[in-house]
Amino acid sequence: DGGITQSPKYLFRKEGQNVTLSCEQNLNHDAMYWYRQDPGQGLRLIYYSQIVNDFQKGDIAEGYSVSREKKESFPLTVTSAQKNPTAFYLCASKRGLYHETQYFGPGTRLLVL
Amino acid sequence: EDQVTQSPEALRLQEGESSSLNCSYTVSGLRGLFWYRQDPGKGPEFLFTLYSAGEEKEKERLKATLTKKESFLHITAPKPEDSATYLCAVQAKETSGSRLTFGEGTQLTVNP
Repeated sequence: DGGITQSPKYLFRKEGQNVTLSCEQNLNHDAMYWYRQDPGQGLRLIYYSQIVNDFQKGDIAEGYSVSREKKESFPLTVTSAQKNPTAFYLCASKRGLYHETQYFGPGTRLLVL
Repeated sequence: EDQVTQSPEALRLQEGESSSLNCSYTVSGLRGLFWYRQDPGKGPEFLFTLYSAGEEKEKERLKATLTKKESFLHITAPKPEDSATYLCAVQAKETSGSRLTFGEGTQLTVNP
């Protein structure tokens, strides 16, 4: 089955710890995105990547980092500099420049111990 | 700055009671408007993309319409399984990376 997978489903972070969220897609999509969802707020864009080895900051990139070494993978690291990391993190992908629709993965819920 | 406002925040319907959800937007040239459905604890599921005023799309009990300032998601004779949060998002023509601006969503509950 083609789709987007995110792991783990739940992740717990201790103070001062960096954690990495996985996002993999087998849709052969070029662009990938990371969003953060908080209760009562719309999805907010953290980072996005349109091609391998290239990525851009979104609206709330501080305290996060990403890499795009392979077309199918776009991991997100939540660093210790992110002071309020508790949220639902969503990864999305889109086919290419002339295709607009983004498709989402199942999400990872990050909680702070 | 692109903005999306969804109303109402929450809506309770009886099974079979038709209604509409609203998505008002301001954007510097619309490339597309998107509707998603999100169940609790899950990722958004794509429903529709609308590109120009006057366009309509349908899927089962759902129908999405678009004007120059807003979009409506009409739900006809809803069933309890239609209960979810419905998200609206816009993409501007001149945006980099095809980024989306989302509204806060409308939480729909359909009672049997």
